[in-house]
Amino acid sequence: GQNIDQPTEMTATEGAIVQINCTYQTSGFNGLFWYQQHAGEAPTFLSYNVLDGLEEKGRFSSFLSRSKGYSYLLLKELQMKDSASYLCAVRDSNYQLIWGAGTKLIIKP
Amino acid sequence: TAGITQAPTSQILAAGRSMTLRCTQDMRHNAMYWYRQDLGLGLRLIHYSNTAGTTGKGEVPDGYSVSRANTDDFPLTLASAVPSQTSVYFCASSDSTGGVETQYFGPGTRLLVL
Repeated sequence: GQNIDQPTEMTATEGAIVQINCTYQTSGFNGLFWYQQHAGEAPTFLSYNVLDGLEEKGRFSSFLSRSKGYSYLLLKELQMKDSASYLCAVRDSNYQLIWGAGTKLIIKP
Repeated sequence: TAGITQAPTSQILAAGRSMTLRCTQDMRHNAMYWYRQDLGLGLRLIHYSNTAGTTGKGEVPDGYSVSRANTDDFPLTLASAVPSQTSVYFCASSDSTGGVETQYFGPGTRLLVL
C-alpha cells in the first residue's frame, strides 16, 4: 500500500529553527509537495521537490532524497503565525496526490 | 479573483437525506478534485476530473457522485447521507503551468450528518 509518515505534533520556540520530516512509500514518484494549513482553513502550497536536494524559499526550505523516500521541511526564524499543520503529499504513478496526516506545529513565545 | 468558492460553508444534514456541495473556480483550471479531511487522517481523494466532461474515482468514492458539465463547476452529491460522511470537504483545482501542477483549495464545507 501507499504510505506517508509524518510526526503528529511538534513544539518549537519563536525565533528558533524546526525540521519536519516526511517519509513515503508510494507506487511511483512524480514530485513531493508541502502545504501549510492553519486551523479551520484550507491548505495552501508551500513547496515542491521533484529532484534530490534542497529548495529554498525565504524562511522555508524543503529537502528531498528519492533513494531514501525522505523529505523534510525546514522553517527558520519561527514566528507565531507559523503555528499550523504542515502536510506532506507525494504524487504517485497515476499523478494523484497521496497525503500524510499532517504535523501540527505549536510555536511558543 | 475569487479563486475557488465552495457552498455551503457548513451544514447539518439528517441521515438519509441528499445534498449537493457546490464548487466553482474562476482560474480556468482543467483539473478539479474533491477531498475529505478527517481528524488524524490525510486528505483522501473522493472524485476527480481531469477536464470538463470527464470524471474519475478516487480513494473513497462510495456514496458520492460528481459531474463536470463545464470547466468552472464541479458539484459533489451525497445521494443518501450516512453519519460516516461527517467530515470537512475540500474542493481543489490545478493547472500544469511549468509542469508543477500545484493544487489550489477552496475554503471547505463542514458537514455533520446526524
